[in-house]
Amino acid sequence: KNEVEQSPQNLTAQEGEFITINCSYSVGISALHWLQQHPGGGIVSLFMLSSGKKKHGRLIATINIQEKHSSLHITASHPRDSAVYICAVGSDTGNQFYFGTGTSLTVIP
Amino acid sequence: DGGITQSPKYLFRKEGQNVTLSCEQNLNHDAMYWYRQDPGQGLRLIYYSQIVNDFQKGDIAEGYSVSREKKESFPLTVTSAQKNPTAFYLCASSISAGDTQYFGPGTRLTVL
Repeated sequence: KNEVEQSPQNLTAQEGEFITINCSYSVGISALHWLQQHPGGGIVSLFMLSSGKKKHGRLIATINIQEKHSSLHITASHPRDSAVYICAVGSDTGNQFYFGTGTSLTVIP
Repeated sequence: DGGITQSPKYLFRKEGQNVTLSCEQNLNHDAMYWYRQDPGQGLRLIYYSQIVNDFQKGDIAEGYSVSREKKESFPLTVTSAQKNPTAFYLCASSISAGDTQYFGPGTRLTVL
């Protein structure tokens, strides 16, 4: 049983397309995180959300606490956005973090 | 420059040998974490430490050991008891447990 489910697992898009990656979770959370992992393996934290919506450049993250669902949107996608995007949640009952298996995004020029 | 460093980036060891992976941070973070990443799987927590001289087992601690003698350092030892040690290992830190985690570049361990 996975506490965090992401979809799709793999995504290929043409440059310029609007992209949505979805994340559903089944535990009570203190916060939800969107992470980006580049081909070399390094991970960067993109957003930390506990409610509503956040925007950073072409990236937008939303969360619906009642539905236990979050989305990561990328507007005007670019080949440099190609990476694995990981959803992670911090449990509200302790110090546990749960990670999705990631969505592998490839943006084609 | 503040950040987290892991060394080396690639590590090869013979089966049956213990190996220690380094993780250092100069962010003055209290909490540090070790994760393992395997193809097609999410990150899995091995050990975490909320404060110096304290650490807790994560989901897959068997075959691993850690120490936290200094705030800046959280080395992970992969022992010969770990049945399938070949993986990508990521270290992370946060101001305190539950805060945003900042990740190191990772160490790819291959056991021959």
